[in-house]
This record gives sequence, structure tokens and C-alpha cells, in this order.
Amino acid sequence: EPEVTQTPSHQVTQMGQEVILRCVPISNHLYFYWYRQILGQKVEFLVSFYNNEISEKSEIFDDQFSVERPDGSNFTLKIRSTKLEDSAMYFCASSEWTGSYEQYFGPGTRLTVT
Amino acid sequence: AQSVTQLDSQVPVFEEAPVELRCNYSSSVSVYLFWYVQYPNQGLQLLLKYLSGSTLVESINGFEAEFNKSQTSFHLRKPSVHISDTAEYFCAVSGARGYQKVTFGTGTKLQVIP
Repeated sequence: EPEVTQTPSHQVTQMGQEVILRCVPISNHLYFYWYRQILGQKVEFLVSFYNNEISEKSEIFDDQFSVERPDGSNFTLKIRSTKLEDSAMYFCASSEWTGSYEQYFGPGTRLTVT
Repeated sequence: AQSVTQLDSQVPVFEEAPVELRCNYSSSVSVYLFWYVQYPNQGLQLLLKYLSGSTLVESINGFEAEFNKSQTSFHLRKPSVHISDTAEYFCAVSGARGYQKVTFGTGTKLQVIP
């Protein structure tokens, strides 16, 4: 069964450093998403992406964040200058543009900012 | 905009007993409803979904949920739980336009007691 993959599974970085989280969505999917889950809290939407542009973003997704689909298979989330409060689990998801509308989630990348 | 309320943060239940995890939602538009499960240190897995049609939906491992439009609820039930059902369960909602973001509830931790 096709699945969304994410790398790395765990990333540790120092405050102020840039990080790039990588995702490989399911191959025939057209919509891509990033969500995050701060430890002990609920999963929050960050951004959705379609046709090489952002479709929707939350208030969390400020100028420190950016997304990109650099090569037709990967989907990346970049945080330019990490803060302690960026420590969270980041989930990538993808969905088809058909009737099912189910978003398939990856296993997540745990980001720890020290 | 949509919102989801999960009133119970933790639900302890004895093995082989029935369980109900409550979920209420709020939305001004038609919605799709989901239950996701998160096992310890793992990602999100879709448990079941309501898109349209029959208001009672079932998962392959014995869970079921019923969409009640008048009460704006989507409670999750299982007649007999197993130890392996111990996990956190998230109710979620999205607008009924496929590509829209998923809004999650705060989660309910189901603790099955042997």
C-alpha cells in the first residue's frame, strides 16, 4: 500500500538554525499539507499546497516558514531561524483530487530545538 | 471555520468492556468527519471517516461512529475493547470540499486496563 514518508524521523537543531523537513507524498496525490503537534497538544494545521503554490495557511505559518516542491516528488518545509517553541512533531500529509478526500499522514518528524 | 470538542481527555476502561469516546463539532458548512488513532511514539492513522451516505461508519477493527447532524456529534464506540486499543484518539473535521484543512480535537487517551 502506498504511503507518505518523512525524513528525518528526528532532527535536533540549535536555536536560530535553519532546518528543512522532507516528505515524499503518495505519487498520484495532488494536494500536500503540513501539520504540527507540540508535545501533549493537539495536531494543528500549518499549510496546504496545490499546483506549486500555497492554497491555505494558518496564523502559525509566518515568514519563518516556507514550503516547496523542488522536484516533483519531494515536499519540504523550511524553518529559517528556529525557536524553542518550534519543537514539535511535524506531520506531512497528501490527498488525491478525487472523491475520497482522505488525507494520508506520514509518520512525522520530531524536531527538537535546543 | 470548523472546531472540534472532545470532552474527555482520558478514558480508562477495563478490557472487554464497551467504550464511547465523545466528539462534537461546530461548522457553518457541510463537513467530513474523521477519527484518527495515534499509538505511542507513532504517527496518525485514519480509523474511520464519514463523507456522506450512511450515518453509521465502521472500521476494520471493531470501532464504529455515528454521524448525528442534529446533535453535531460523531461519537466513537467499540462494544469490547482490547489492550491493543490503548492509544490516543483524535476526532477531526474538514469542510466538504476535499482539499480543505483538517481541524483536530484535543484528543482522548484511551487506557485499557487488563
